[in-house]
Amino acid sequence: GAVVSQHPSWVICKSGTSVKIECRSLDFQATTMFWYRQFPKQSLMLMATSNEGSKATYEQGVEKDKFLINHASLTLSTLTVTSAHPEDSSFYICSARQPSGESSPLHFGNGTRLTVT
Amino acid sequence: LAKTTQPISMDSYEGQEVNITCSHNNIATNDYITWYQQFPSQGPRFIIQGYKTKVTNEVASLFIPADRKSSTLSLPRVSLSDTAVYYCLVGENNQGGKLIFGQGTELSVKP
Repeated sequence: GAVVSQHPSWVICKSGTSVKIECRSLDFQATTMFWYRQFPKQSLMLMATSNEGSKATYEQGVEKDKFLINHASLTLSTLTVTSAHPEDSSFYICSARQPSGESSPLHFGNGTRLTVT
Repeated sequence: LAKTTQPISMDSYEGQEVNITCSHNNIATNDYITWYQQFPSQGPRFIIQGYKTKVTNEVASLFIPADRKSSTLSLPRVSLSDTAVYYCLVGENNQGGKLIFGQGTELSVKP
């Protein structure tokens, strides 16, 4: 079964508004979560690493003031796209690992399709 | 972080075995090799993971040579529903270990 849950699965918003996407780890605590973005016909691009209780670490070229990440609890990270514009329309995916031994793979949520009109 | 190289696309027919090879020449000692499957508009789904030699689960096998600079995902007897993009990733497996995606392999299974 799913171990990482995302909400909403899709959202449409008007240009200039902000949108919040939630990522929850189910039945385990995740001190770290990862946010990816995927444009059509392209691979996933890592945006940032979300750290519980501290600031997120952003990849080069990702605007931290544009994509606000809050990891307020050990099971929830949120990504807020602020002042969204049509070019922010994309598929946003979060991921986390279950803490167990050596080989714990990264599990992904089902993604959030954002459309900015 | 190790960079991976895979074929961009592959074609197969139902019932065939499909082998997708990934090169990761700069793999580090602590890196694991993980393969994911992605369908359109869905998040990647974990298929299999290994560190060395051979790993097998109910859906696939993963072959890793001794030098670990490449790996091969083997899908036995594919069906139409296996049409998807397959990604090979290498990286550390601790909670903070981030994974960088390469371009992936688009597998098309035909009847």
